Amino acid sequence: DIQMTQSPSTLSASVGDRVTITCRASQSISSWLAWFQQKPGKAPKLLISKASNLESGVPSRFSGSGSGTEFTLTISSLQPDDFGTYYCQQFNSHPYTFGQGTKLEIK
Amino acid sequence: QVQLVQSGAEVKKPGASVKVSCKASGYSVTTHYMHWVRQAPGQGLEWMGVINPSAGSTGYAHKFQGRVAMTRDTSTSTVYMELSSLKSEDTAVYYCARAVPVGYLDYWGQGTLVTVSS
Repeated sequence: DIQMTQSPSTLSASVGDRVTITCRASQSISSWLAWFQQKPGKAPKLLISKASNLESGVPSRFSGSGSGTEFTLTISSLQPDDFGTYYCQQFNSHPYTFGQGTKLEIK
Repeated sequence: QVQLVQSGAEVKKPGASVKVSCKASGYSVTTHYMHWVRQAPGQGLEWMGVINPSAGSTGYAHKFQGRVAMTRDTSTSTVYMELSSLKSEDTAVYYCARAVPVGYLDYWGQGTLVTVSS
């Protein structure tokens, strides 16, 4: 199975900050990576597919990059609504493993 | 618009089985694979498996093989996930999620809380 490791596990930042979350795969997954945002009590929401494709309706302050084994999710200017937990998921091969999550708190 | 509507919360005793449904609307259920993901309280997301609603073929995470069964009823556009021999560690919210052809999950159900307690 492909292991996905996210860092940091928790992150506290202020409105307007630039925030970066990293996701590493235990083997190459090309660009077969998605990023999700989850708020308490809600289903995950797809933000980015294929490592860098921004989903329709997702604010342009979100961006994704990387390929192979190293990926990043960047929020260029943090907004109050961006709190929640962020997960990466590889869809290169079954099982479609998730990272352990990064909890983002707004200072 | 695409919607996945799941069945309601369940409370089960250890050793019992639970069957969660996921009704799709706004698209043809046979055109997209459906995945199941669970989340234990305060924990991360765990992929359980996938069903091809057109063929009925399935693929399960090793952890759940022998204990999980994913089925579908195309006449009602509904996909099911049944988990047997329940343990307290199976207490979680279970999600169905639609996959696009290249594989990522674009639409999710609202989740179904399954509580396993004696």
